[in-house]
Order: sequence, then structure tokens, then C-alpha cells
Amino acid sequence: GQQVMQIPQYQHVQEGEDFTTYCNSSTTLSNIQWYKQRPGGHPVFLIQLVKSGEVKKQKRLTFQFGEAKKNSSLHITATQTTDVGTYFCAPRGSQGNLIFGKGTKLSVKP
Amino acid sequence: NAGVTQTPKFRVLKTGQSMTLLCAQDMNHEYMYWYRQDPGMGLRLIHYSVGEGTTAKGEVPDGYNVSRLKKQNFLLGLESAAPSQTSVYFCASSYSRGAYEQYFGPGTRLTVT
Repeated sequence: GQQVMQIPQYQHVQEGEDFTTYCNSSTTLSNIQWYKQRPGGHPVFLIQLVKSGEVKKQKRLTFQFGEAKKNSSLHITATQTTDVGTYFCAPRGSQGNLIFGKGTKLSVKP
Repeated sequence: NAGVTQTPKFRVLKTGQSMTLLCAQDMNHEYMYWYRQDPGMGLRLIHYSVGEGTTAKGEVPDGYNVSRLKKQNFLLGLESAAPSQTSVYFCASSYSRGAYEQYFGPGTRLTVT
């Protein structure tokens, strides 16, 4: 079935450093959503990207959708300890449901 | 609004036992989903429902059954639990599929010994 590759699987940063996670697909995506899951918590919706080349910002978070709509990225500027968690990309699959990537686990050292 | 709730929060089963996980949402969403989350595997869709009285198979449906008798409730059943079903189970709901955000419940941690 349709799959997405999310890299890296883990990222350890010092507080204040930047962080980026990438989501790649071999097929063109109609849209893509991003979710954050805090340790011990449940996934929480962050944003949805729909248009080719789209860039959206939420404070220190910047989300991009590739021009070919086959990849997406989430960039966090100046990480804080509150950013700790696992970030999932979730494009819409061919049958209409979300296909979750395996996630990137971010840890932040104060 | 409570959003999406799940019961129970934790459960330990012995191999071969059965149980039902209950999911309830108060947002009047048409779509509901059951996922399982295993370490390093992300979220995998077990079954989903596009409305009251309907269910459909997801990516990993074997060993599970579901029912959606009421719009606000989505039940996940394990008829004969196996150790491979040890996982964290999340229920989610959405206004529609794919193009709308999903709201997740707090999860049920199930251990099968």
C-alpha cells in the first residue's frame, strides 16, 4: 500500500537549536497533515497543507509542501523543551484515509 | 465538550480472552477510526466508519471486529486476544475523511500475556 518515509527517526537537540523533519512519498499527494504527540499523550493536529509549494507558519514552526507535492517538511526554530514529542506527517491515501508516517521523535536537552 | 473519550485506559488480558474497547465522541462527527500504535511503527489503521451503521477495514484488521450502532460510539472488539495485539489503541473522529483533521482520544494501553 501507499507509504511515506519520515526522516530522521530520532533527533536530539540542545535547547535553542533548530530542528527539521522530512516526509517523502513516491507518489503525488493530494494533501498532507502534521500531528504532534507528546510523551504519553495522543496525537494532536497541527496543520494541513494542500497547495503545491505551500508554506505555513505557526510561531516557531514552519511547514512546507513541495512543489511536486511529493514531500513535506516541518522546521522548528530555536527549539524549547515544550517541543519535545513525536511529529507525524499524515498524507491522504488513495482510499481517502490518512496514512501516518512512523514519526520523528524529538528530544530537547535544556 | 469532552471531545473523544476512550474506556478503559489500561487493560491486561490473558491469551484467548475477549474484550471490547469503547470510543465515544460528542462532536457529531460522521467518521470514526481505530488505530494501533506500536513502538517505531507509527499509527496503523485497524477499522473505520463513515457513518452510523457502517464499518470498513483498514490496514491491519485481522483479529479485530468493530460496530457503530450509534453515531457517537465506535466499539473495537478482540474476540480471542493474542500477545501480538499488545499495543496502544487510539480512537479518532473527524468531520470527513482525509481533508479534515482528526481528533484523537487519550488511548487504551492493552497488554496481552
